[in-house]
Amino acid sequence: QITLKESGPTLVKPTQTLTLTCTFSGFSLSTSGVGVGWIRQPPGKALEWLALIYWDDDKRYSPSLKSRLTITKDTSKNQVVLTMTNMDPVDTATYYCAHRSQSDYYFDYWGQGTLVTVSS
Amino acid sequence: DIQMTQSPSSLSASVGDRVTITCQASQDISNYLNWYQQKPGKAPKLLIYDASNLETGVPSRFSGSGSGTDFTFTISSLQPEDIATYYCQQYDNLLFTFGQGTRLEIK
Repeated sequence: QITLKESGPTLVKPTQTLTLTCTFSGFSLSTSGVGVGWIRQPPGKALEWLALIYWDDDKRYSPSLKSRLTITKDTSKNQVVLTMTNMDPVDTATYYCAHRSQSDYYFDYWGQGTLVTVSS
Repeated sequence: DIQMTQSPSSLSASVGDRVTITCQASQDISNYLNWYQQKPGKAPKLLIYDASNLETGVPSRFSGSGSGTDFTFTISSLQPEDIATYYCQQYDNLLFTFGQGTRLEIK
C-alpha cells in the first residue's frame, strides 16, 4: 500500500525559505521508473505542478518557478524534500506530494496536503 | 511551454444528466492526458489516464476520449457524489501542466 505524507511549517514569513518533506511508504525511490512530485494549490484556485524527482536523481522543475525550487531525495529515509526560496504571500497554498506512476506520466497516489501560509 | 485550456470553468447539471468537460492543448501531446477529481478539502484522485483508460476502481460512468490536442471527459449519468472539481493534466517534454479546473454542481 502506497502512502505519502507532507510535513513542514504552516507559517513562513515573506522572503524566507520554505522546506517541505514528503515521507512515503509502499515503494522505493531506488526502483527504476519511480518518481515523486510536488503540486500546490492556492486557496480556491487550480492545481500547479512544481517539481519532480526520478529514481535516477533526474530532476524537473516548473519553468516559471525553476529559479526558486530545489528537490532532493533521501532514499534510505524514504523522503523527498522540496525547498522554495524567497517566499511571498502569493505562495500561500496547500502543497501536495504525489507518486508518479512507474511507467507513465500521471500521479496515482497523493498525500493529504499541507497548508502553508506566507505572512509577516 | 504547453498551455491547457479547460472548459467550462463551472457547470451545473441535474442528477442523471450526461456531463462533458473538454481540455485543449496548445500542441500535440499524443495521449498524455489525464483526468482527476477533487472534492473539497481532499487531495485529487486519478480517474482517467492516457486519455481514455479508466483507473482501477473508478465507476464506469466516467470516461475519456481524444488524442493530439483535443480531449473530452464524460460522466454518462451524473450522481450526487460526483460533485467536485475536475482537472485535466498533460505531460510533454518532461514537464507537467494542469488545466484550470471545472467546478461541477448539482442543479
